[in-house]
Amino acid sequence: EPEVTQTPSHQVTQMGQEVILRCVPISNHLYFYWYRQILGQKVEFLVSFYNNEISEKSEIFDDQFSVERPDGSNFTLKIRSTKLEDSAMYFCASSALPGLANYGYTFGSGTRLTVV
Amino acid sequence: AQSVTQPDIHITVSEGASLELRCNYSYGATPYLFWYVQSPGQGLQLLLKYFSGDTLVQGIKGFEAEFKRSQSSFNLRKPSVHWSDAAEYFCAVEYGNKLVFGAGTILRVKS
Repeated sequence: EPEVTQTPSHQVTQMGQEVILRCVPISNHLYFYWYRQILGQKVEFLVSFYNNEISEKSEIFDDQFSVERPDGSNFTLKIRSTKLEDSAMYFCASSALPGLANYGYTFGSGTRLTVV
Repeated sequence: AQSVTQPDIHITVSEGASLELRCNYSYGATPYLFWYVQSPGQGLQLLLKYFSGDTLVQGIKGFEAEFKRSQSSFNLRKPSVHWSDAAEYFCAVEYGNKLVFGAGTILRVKS
């Protein structure tokens, strides 16, 4: 079964440093997403991406965040200057078409980011 | 605003016992509803989904869920729990091509 692959599984970084979280979506999928889950809290939508541009973003996704599809296979989330409150599990997801009703997402296993 | 409430943070059941995890949603239109499971160190795996039609939905691993519009609920059930079902379960509603999740319910299974 096709998978969404995320690397690394765990990353520790110092406050103020830049981090890049990487995702390889399913190969024929066109829509890409990032979600995050702060420990003990809900899974929250960050951003959706289609056709090389952001299609929707949440209020969490401020100027310190950016997303990119640098090549035909990777989808990255960059956090420019990490803060302690960025510590969370970050999930990547992809879907073949918009609208979850018929197609659904496939989620990756997540990257646990710890900011110290 | 769209929201999902899972009133039980933790539930403990004995192996072989039945299970029901509660989920209530707030959504103006006909909801598209999902249940996901997350095992430790794993990603979010889709258990089942409801779009329309039959209000009793069958999923993987022997789970089912029933959509009740009058109660704005989408409770997850399993007739006989296995130790491997211990995990965190998330209910979610689709809103504008994204998912709005509940806070999750941690299921513990005792032998």
